[in-house]
Amino acid sequence: DTAVSQTPKYLVTQMGNDKSIKCEQNLGHDTMYWYKQDSKKFLKIMFSYNNKELIINETVPNRFSPKSPDKAHLNLHINSLELGDSAVYFCASSQVYTGVGTEAFFGQGTRLTVV
Amino acid sequence: AQSVTQLDSQVPVFEEAPVELRCNYSSSVSVYLFWYVQYPNQGLQLLLKYLSGSTLVKGINGFEAEFNKSQTSFHLRKPSVHISDTAEYFCAVSEAGSARQLTFGSGTQLTVLP
Repeated sequence: DTAVSQTPKYLVTQMGNDKSIKCEQNLGHDTMYWYKQDSKKFLKIMFSYNNKELIINETVPNRFSPKSPDKAHLNLHINSLELGDSAVYFCASSQVYTGVGTEAFFGQGTRLTVV
Repeated sequence: AQSVTQLDSQVPVFEEAPVELRCNYSSSVSVYLFWYVQYPNQGLQLLLKYLSGSTLVKGINGFEAEFNKSQTSFHLRKPSVHISDTAEYFCAVSEAGSARQLTFGSGTQLTVLP
C-alpha cells in the first residue's frame, strides 16, 4: 500500500485556470506538509498542518489554499495559475513534528506545468 | 532560523569508487539531521537520520553519515558506489523540539559512471 499518495501525478493546464492536487496518507500521521520543488530541485516548505490545523504558512501567494478535511488528507488548491507556478509539488507526512525526530514521508510528487 | 548548505551541486564518480557528499548546517539550537535520496521522477526517500547518541549513523543501501557538532557538518559517505546510486541527494535539518518543518539543502546530484 502506498503510504503517501498524490493525485494527479502530472497536471498540464493553461494560465488563469484553477486546479487542485489531492494528498492522502495512510500512516496514521498527525502532521502533513506541502513542499514545492523548483526547476533547480530546491525544496521549499509551503504549508504544514497538524491534526487539521494550519501550523506553518510560509510566504506563499494567496492563490494557494490548503484544505485538510481530516488528518489523513491535505489538498492544495491553486487559483489563477501563473507560469511561475510550474514546479513539482510534494505532499509529505510525519508522525509528529519533525522537531521531535520523526522523519517525513513523501509522496511521488505532482508535476504541474502551466502553459 | 536553521539553514543547510550542500557544498557540491554535482558529484561524478566512477562505479565502485568511494564517495562523500558534504552537508553543513547552521542553527542556534540542537538539531536533528536527515539525508534523503530522490531518484528520477520519484519522491524523496529517507536514507538515514541523526537524532542523538553515536555520531556515526548507518542507513539504507550501504550509506552512512557522520555528525560533527564542532564543524556543524553531516557528511554522507559510501565506500563503493553502484550505477543504481545515481540520484539527487538532499540533506535536511529540523530544530529539536520545534514545530517547524524540515529545511532542505539545495541538493547534490550524484552521477555514477561506468
